[in-house]
Formats: sequence, structure tokens, C-alpha cells
Amino acid sequence: QVQLVESGGGVVQPGRSLRLSCAASGFTFSNYAMHWVRQAPGKGLEWVTIIWHDGSNKYYADSVKGRFTISRDDSKNTLYIQMNSLRAEDTAVYYCARAGVVLIPDYWGQGTLVTVSS
Amino acid sequence: DIVMTQTPLSSPVTLGQPASISCRSSQSLVHSDGNTFLSWLQQRPGQPPRLLIYEISNRFSGVPDRFSGSGAGTEFTLKISRVEAEDVGIYYCMQTTQFPFTFGPGTKVEIK
Repeated sequence: QVQLVESGGGVVQPGRSLRLSCAASGFTFSNYAMHWVRQAPGKGLEWVTIIWHDGSNKYYADSVKGRFTISRDDSKNTLYIQMNSLRAEDTAVYYCARAGVVLIPDYWGQGTLVTVSS
Repeated sequence: DIVMTQTPLSSPVTLGQPASISCRSSQSLVHSDGNTFLSWLQQRPGQPPRLLIYEISNRFSGVPDRFSGSGAGTEFTLKISRVEAEDVGIYYCMQTTQFPFTFGPGTKVEIK
């Protein structure tokens, strides 16, 4: 069965960096685009970024453009997001999700919490 | 960016009764390929989101048939024919027609 496990969350000071990982299993990772979606505490869902199955295209929300970078390592079945210049408003649970039919996020991980605070 | 709105934001329902959630987009979600990429997701308390419906009306794998979607253009509806206790949670519409992808604010479904 499809399984996505995020890791790397924690408490980080404003202006610092953090890299999250998402380990995928149960499907052929290299065949699928992948998303990151976040959810601030008590708030709704915010789409963050997507990477094509072959890494050829990447798109970002305006709120993270220029600060966050999505990448993947198909040899490790792992998705990443490098988050630089973190701000308090980046505090959220970060979910990775598989982009299935027509890029819809069809399977989701349990999420990892990132807290940006001094 | 395409702005998604939902009504109501909260929906108390009686077990066994129907529920309906509306979603509106600030511009048409019809893609240049003719398809409409509007999805519905459910988030139960303490859980990650779960895909229910994609492309307006297609139920995802394992989704009970009491969930149905309809609509076109900029107006969409999710219906639950008979609400069960496990349906409690927040429901989001999402568009994947145009980048950046965007979600509605969510509708909280709770039992009266």
C-alpha cells in the first residue's frame, strides 16, 4: 500500500534553514509527481510546491518562492523540501502527498510539524 | 491566483440526514484540455487529508458511494446522502487547474 513518511520537523529560529524529507513506499516513486502542502495550527490547507516525476518542472506558492526548494532522489524514493529564511508564518504541519491522476494529491503522509520561533 | 470559497463554513447535521457543501471559484476551472480539475478532500480530526472526489464527480478508491460531487465552471457541490458519525471533519475543495493550486477555507461538518 502507498506509504509516505515525513521527517525533519522541529523548532527553528527565524531566518534559519530546515530540510524536510518524505520517504515513499508502496508505489513506483519515479513515476509520480509529488506535492508539499502545509497547514498552520488551527488553519486550513495551503499548497506549497510540486515537482514533476522526472524533476523537470517545479512550481511554488508565492509565499515560499525564492526561499523553499523542492527536490527528489529517486534512488532513495525520497522527496525533500529545503526551507531557507524561515519566518514565523511558516510554522505549520508539512505534508507530502503523491500527485496522482491529473496531479491531484491522492495519498498523504501523516505530516511533520515545523515551528519557527525564537 | 484562483480564490476558492466555500459555504457554509460550519454545518451541523443529524445522523442519517443529507449534507451539502458548496464551493465557488473566482474563475472558471475548465482547463485548456477541456477537463475541470476540482477535487474534494476530507480531514478527520487529528488526521491528514484524504482525497474523496476528483474532477468534479469521480470518487477516489475506497470512498463510499454516499459521497457525490457535481457542478461545472465555477460552482461545485459535495453531497453526503446520509451522514454517518465517521463523516465528522473538515471538507476542503481544491483546484488543480492552474498554478498555484488553491484550497477552499474548509467546511466543518459536525453532528447535531
